[in-house]
Amino acid sequence: GEDVEQSLFLSVREGDSSVINCTYTDSSSTYLYWYKQEPGAGLQLLTYIFSNMDMKQDQRLTVLLNKKDKHLSLRIADTQTGDSAIYFCAEWAEYGNKLVFGAGTILRVKS
Amino acid sequence: GAVVSQHPSWVICKSGTSVKIECRSLDFQATTMFWYRQFPKQSLMLMATSNEGSKATYEQGVEKDKFLINHASLTLSTLTVTSAHPEDSSFYICSAPGTGHGDSIGYTFGSGTRLTVV
Repeated sequence: GEDVEQSLFLSVREGDSSVINCTYTDSSSTYLYWYKQEPGAGLQLLTYIFSNMDMKQDQRLTVLLNKKDKHLSLRIADTQTGDSAIYFCAEWAEYGNKLVFGAGTILRVKS
Repeated sequence: GAVVSQHPSWVICKSGTSVKIECRSLDFQATTMFWYRQFPKQSLMLMATSNEGSKATYEQGVEKDKFLINHASLTLSTLTVTSAHPEDSSFYICSAPGTGHGDSIGYTFGSGTRLTVV
């Protein structure tokens, strides 16, 4: 079955880069997503990457995909206190026709 | 971009009562709506998928009679927690697939409903 794993916690200083890692198991995933969740709120789509891409950059966000190792990462450059949130990676599981989420990584940014 | 409006944002109810949560797609038609449940410090667990005009598909282990889902129109899906008990207290979030173009390629989430059963 499909499974997505993430590290649970990351603490960085304001201005540093943050790298959040994720591994997934479904090799047939077509899209992989990064979502941000602030306390008590729903999920906000940050960025996504199509499975035939290795990298995608969007302003301060860089997504790297290693399809061979089924490894996805999200790099946030110049991390700000407003970036403190929970970050979920998710894969679109062809089998089951649904989004499968990791457990989420709590990002804490210290000023 | 696509917007899903979910309400109420939070609700407190007495044990044994029923609570209805609504999700509306505001500027697009959502033939499918996903309902998730999130426990504190845990990921989202898919409960069920509602489809407009047909019965919802429930994930394994989710009680159909407990969590009633109705998707009567292309813009409205509802989740009713029947005979709620304290163990049903959780954060419930709905989500609709985007249109597949541009910013809507992902899934759009409602803002969530915090349910507390006392």
